[in-house]
Amino acid sequence: KNEVEQSPQNLTAQEGEFITINCSYSVGISALHWLQQHPGGGIVSLFMLSSGKKKHGRLIATINIQEKHSSLHITASHPRDSAVYICAVNRGSTLGRLYFGRGTQLTVWP
Amino acid sequence: DAMVIQNPRYQVTQFGKPVTLSCSQTLNHNVMYWYQQKSSQAPKLLFHYYDKDFNNEADTPDNFQSRRPNTSFCFLDIRSPGLGDAAMYLCATSSTGRETQYFGPGTRLLVL
Repeated sequence: KNEVEQSPQNLTAQEGEFITINCSYSVGISALHWLQQHPGGGIVSLFMLSSGKKKHGRLIATINIQEKHSSLHITASHPRDSAVYICAVNRGSTLGRLYFGRGTQLTVWP
Repeated sequence: DAMVIQNPRYQVTQFGKPVTLSCSQTLNHNVMYWYQQKSSQAPKLLFHYYDKDFNNEADTPDNFQSRRPNTSFCFLDIRSPGLGDAAMYLCATSSTGRETQYFGPGTRLLVL
């Protein structure tokens, strides 16, 4: 079983819809990351968080340490949001090593 | 702009022919990582450097080597590429290993 699980694996939405991607993990962590990867492209870090909630533009990330769960929300989704969204965690014992979820492929149609 | 640069963006090599991928960074970060990402899979860490200290993942094949001649540059050497080594190779950096990782655009390797 993967230490980091994401759901859903694939997500299709209409432009303007509110989107939620979920991530759960089974290990102790020092931080959780949400990453974005466009087709054929590199990876962009969206958020790094260890507690609470962060917001950047239309993106919101939350984490519940007790429940070992995080969510990434996209408000007013747009076709340019179409990408793979990856959840990854730092385990405190291994410096910098990221443990990745399998990613969620998001497609937003106009 | 400070960034992580990878060259080339696309690399074609022949089965068994050594190949070197390069990564450079202008962020002056201490930590540099190499990941392998195969189609529809999560990135897999191959190894990382903390300054000059090399840290190899236990399941990284011996076929993969790395060099970091200075803070700015890091190289991935594949001594004898096999068909199964065709993948996207991602370089990333982090200031001390406990912050956000900054990823390069990746090098897509094709093995013929």
